[in-house]
Amino acid sequence: AQKITQTQPGMFVQEKEAVTLDCTYDTSDQSYGLFWYKQPSSGEMIFLIYQGSYDEQNATEGRYSLNFQKARKSANLVISASQLGDSAMYFCAMRLIFGAGTRLAVHP
Amino acid sequence: SAVISQKPSRDICQRGTSLTIQCQVDSQVTMMFWYRQQPGQSLTLIATANQGSEATYESGFVIDKFPISRPNLTFSTLTVSNMSPEDSSIYLCSGTTSGDANTGELFFGEGSRLTVL
Repeated sequence: AQKITQTQPGMFVQEKEAVTLDCTYDTSDQSYGLFWYKQPSSGEMIFLIYQGSYDEQNATEGRYSLNFQKARKSANLVISASQLGDSAMYFCAMRLIFGAGTRLAVHP
Repeated sequence: SAVISQKPSRDICQRGTSLTIQCQVDSQVTMMFWYRQQPGQSLTLIATANQGSEATYESGFVIDKFPISRPNLTFSTLTVSNMSPEDSSIYLCSGTTSGDANTGELFFGEGSRLTVL
């Protein structure tokens, strides 16, 4: 069975700084994908970034990048140049299973 | 991307009643799923909605309590039956345009916020 662990219930970051949100996973599958989603206070779920287990490069999407360490089974989300609008819940997911989430607060 | 819409967006229900949530997706969506998000919690998968056949339920969820239909590719319903206050949650319809839930990102409806009194 798959398991996703997010150990940071809340994180704070200063505007324009970078922040890393942690995600570790457990799976016996050789082929899998990892996803990050954002949920603002409005409640909508927004897909941010995807990393495949066989991808040789770490995924990047604009200010979002994934620090994928397969041997450690971690897929940390890095948000660069944080903006006030980045304040939200962030969920790591694998094969339809979501982690507990991290609430990010960006301070001016 | 895919467009997913669901209704109602919110409702207040009486204990013991049932409520049906409708979800409409665009034709690019291949797989449909229903999630529950309890207050302050993460998303929990209820079931995969299968076209023309019984849904595939996750552990802890049963058809009698959460009957799901998907009569065609682009429409699904979730019924929350015999509701109790513990059923107060946001229910989310989602779908993927990929044929593989392992590699395709999920698109979500706006959610249906149910409050059971």
